[in-house]
Amino acid sequence: GAVVSQHPSWVICKSGTSVKIECRSLDFQATTMFWYRQFPKQSLMLMATSNEGSKATYEQGVEKDKFLINHASLTLSTLTVTSAHPEDSSFYICSACRDLFANTQYFGPGTRLTVL
Amino acid sequence: AQSVSQHNHHVILSEAASLELGCNYSYGGTVNLFWYVQYPGQHLQLLLKYFSGDPLVKGIKGFEAEFIKSKFSFNLRKPSVQWSDTAEYFCAVLTNTGNQFYFGTGTSLTVIP
Repeated sequence: GAVVSQHPSWVICKSGTSVKIECRSLDFQATTMFWYRQFPKQSLMLMATSNEGSKATYEQGVEKDKFLINHASLTLSTLTVTSAHPEDSSFYICSACRDLFANTQYFGPGTRLTVL
Repeated sequence: AQSVSQHNHHVILSEAASLELGCNYSYGGTVNLFWYVQYPGQHLQLLLKYFSGDPLVKGIKGFEAEFIKSKFSFNLRKPSVQWSDTAEYFCAVLTNTGNQFYFGTGTSLTVIP
């Protein structure tokens, strides 16, 4: 099956620093990648849709200047949490889709961010 | 705005009991529907999906779901659960306009041996 990896799996940082999270599709090319945030015991909240070679589409209420997304290649998308604060602590999950119409997602294992 | 609701937040069943998890969505256009499962400590995995055709779809591990367009529902069923089915279950909707997924709030299933 399709494999999606995330790096790092867990990061702890000081308030005010920036953190970059990578999402890679290991054995397929992903034209579309999604970034989600999951709070404890809650569902996934879609943050943004990332298409290779174009600007990401952010969901309402998600600050694009705070959560920078770069989808530079068909196998890599990055999410940078800029000037992180404790309220940004969460579990960030990416998914990747093989095809243009995004009808099947393959999820990464997630990255747990803790901001002190 | 589109929304997906799962009415059962936490379900506890004994092994061999039958399972039905509700999922309703609000969107008037064409949708693709999915159920994902997240076992403890693991990634989200696709259980089954509906795009078109037969509204009763079968997925992995004996799960099935029925799309009822008039009710905007896509309920997940399994006739006889096992302890290994203990997990979080998420319903998701993909609209045909936004190319974006929307997830339900999830249902935590605990199966007691």
